[in-house]
Amino acid sequence: GQSLEQPSEVTAVEGAIVQINCTYQTSGFYGLSWYQQHDGGAPTFLSYNGLDGLEETGRFSSFLSRSDSYGYLLLQELQMKDSASYFCAVRGTRNQGGKLIFGQGTELSVKP
Amino acid sequence: DVKVTQSSRYLVKRTGEKVFLECVQDMDHENMFWYRQDPGLGLRLIYFSYDVKMKEKGDIPEGYSVSREKKERFSLILESASTNQTSMYLCASSPRGQSYEQYFGPGTRLTVT
Repeated sequence: GQSLEQPSEVTAVEGAIVQINCTYQTSGFYGLSWYQQHDGGAPTFLSYNGLDGLEETGRFSSFLSRSDSYGYLLLQELQMKDSASYFCAVRGTRNQGGKLIFGQGTELSVKP
Repeated sequence: DVKVTQSSRYLVKRTGEKVFLECVQDMDHENMFWYRQDPGLGLRLIYFSYDVKMKEKGDIPEGYSVSREKKERFSLILESASTNQTSMYLCASSPRGQSYEQYFGPGTRLTVT
């Protein structure tokens, strides 16, 4: 089967750093994406790791270790507006059409 | 900016009705996707299309069909709606070879009574 595991909820305070982990077990792997979804809104793309290592985009960073089937999203200098659900998604191989398989999502609550 | 629009924000249908959900994107993307989102289950892929008239089943295609007659438009059809198809339906698009970066529409919340 195919599965992605991420914590269901995370709580942190404004200004802090939070890490959301994602472990995956899939039949094909081509990369790991992260999406943010505010309550009632559409998911929006945050980052993608096709290779091992760290990708940084402003306050957000994403890491991938293919040998460990593991990745994480790191959010720094947390702001109230970061309260949202965060999804990791594995990109399948070309013969799977490159489709994304999404995790169940992590609800991040940022407290003042 | 990429814009993906969906025909309705909210929809209420009766069991057994045929339901059409329309999705239009304005960025000439080759790939288009239909997902449903349910609490605790994340986003699950119903169907996707990588070109006009082409379609591939996703993880949960049962009870659904799709149509892509034009590049910018991807329709999801519920042949005979059932209460277990009450859900949020999200459409997305991406350029060919970049399915890792998908652009989502606002979603259609469908209630089947």
